[in-house]
Amino acid sequence: DTGVSQNPRHKITKRGQNVTFRCDPISEHNRLYWYRQTLGQGPEFLTYFQNEAQLEKSRLLSDRFSAERPKGSFSTLEIQRTEQGDSAMYLCASSTAPGPVRRNTIYFGEGSWLTVV
Amino acid sequence: GESVGLHLPTLSVQEGDNSIINCAYSNSASDYFIWYKQESGKGPQFIIDIRSNMDKRQGQRVTVLLNKTVKHLSLQIAATQPGDSAVYFCAENYHERTTDSWGKLQFGAGTQVVVTP
Repeated sequence: DTGVSQNPRHKITKRGQNVTFRCDPISEHNRLYWYRQTLGQGPEFLTYFQNEAQLEKSRLLSDRFSAERPKGSFSTLEIQRTEQGDSAMYLCASSTAPGPVRRNTIYFGEGSWLTVV
Repeated sequence: GESVGLHLPTLSVQEGDNSIINCAYSNSASDYFIWYKQESGKGPQFIIDIRSNMDKRQGQRVTVLLNKTVKHLSLQIAATQPGDSAVYFCAENYHERTTDSWGKLQFGAGTQVVVTP
């Protein structure tokens, strides 16, 4: 399978615990994105990387959230001291960097469901 | 007020008929648009995309139309099949002059398509 891979697919955690999600992008993609989606809503942008550099973080990303992409390949999203409001699906996506002509389609993974109880 | 995100607009279509899903986007500076299909419990699946220098693009059984004058996007699905039942999202890539914002997508609310036999 050469698509975007995310794990774990499902995580149930108690309030106050830390959780970490991993994303493996499509191998030739140097851009990696994290989004969050709650029930009945469209995905919302959280942050993105080009190679190992984190280029932007949304205001949605509180200080309890941290994302890394240390070697420019896989990425992790860690949520510290989880709250019930963090319950959502966390989506990873990847693409190549933009170019003048080539379309740089953004492909999503299957998501990681987080339930905070 | 609160978004009524749980009450997605629903399009019911008979198997074999054509479907048209509409989307209004927000930013006249957006230069790239994507339609995604999302089945229950899965990540968004790429369907078709279009750049702002085009007004129509066709794929296999799907056509995307872009009207920049009124900031409107539509997805047409020919000969709708039961497997087309899903939530469909349009997404715009909001072009910010000062940053490289490729992949920072803004999603619409989504339309639930239900295909009846």
